[in-house]
Amino acid sequence: QKEVEQNSGPLSVPEGAIASLNCTYSDRGSQSFFWYRQYSGKSPELIMSIYSNGDKEDGRFTAQLNKASQYVSLLIRDSQPSDSATYLCAVNKSNSGYALNFGKGTSLLVTP
Amino acid sequence: DTEVTQTPKHLVMGMTNKKSLKCEQHMGHRAMYWYKQKAKKPPELMFVYSYEKLSINESVPSRFSPECPNSSLLNLHLHALQPEDSALYLCASSQVSAPSQFFGPGTRLTVL
Repeated sequence: QKEVEQNSGPLSVPEGAIASLNCTYSDRGSQSFFWYRQYSGKSPELIMSIYSNGDKEDGRFTAQLNKASQYVSLLIRDSQPSDSATYLCAVNKSNSGYALNFGKGTSLLVTP
Repeated sequence: DTEVTQTPKHLVMGMTNKKSLKCEQHMGHRAMYWYKQKAKKPPELMFVYSYEKLSINESVPSRFSPECPNSSLLNLHLHALQPEDSALYLCASSQVSAPSQFFGPGTRLTVL
């Protein structure tokens, strides 16, 4: 089982719709969860972090965490073409506080 | 200053060359990281420095040699690289007590 799993996509949504990105992880000891956005040819940009079960909202982004189900999601409301990018889920390694495991990323395409 | 900078942006080197990648941050972060990212793959952790000391080496070949001269600077010395080492090399930093990592723009390395 891969440590962090994401559907590679592409996920295509129309402009203005809600995009839902999902991630599962295998390390039950993980405590820190992150979503990064990466445009083609650019470096990853941190957009959300979440540490507790439940929802965390920041503007158009909502991160959801369910530790019992080992599941993290990212909702993007009112999706814009500029949101088209690869979204990377990252989870800390419980036996190495500084290290992150990244999923392979989900490619999101927002069509006008 | 909330930025991680990396130089050079692009580097082309032969297999017998010696070169160095540089990373700098002025956010007061005491953890710094080197990642390698191949096309359409997630970042792979190479090294972690905490308080200027190497804390994690993810079994990286010795042709990659990291150095952390002070709390703001991180170098990656390259020697006798192989063409398969061509990739985007990313530097990141974080607070030791808070695991959110912030990435620099990366150095695109090509080994001929």
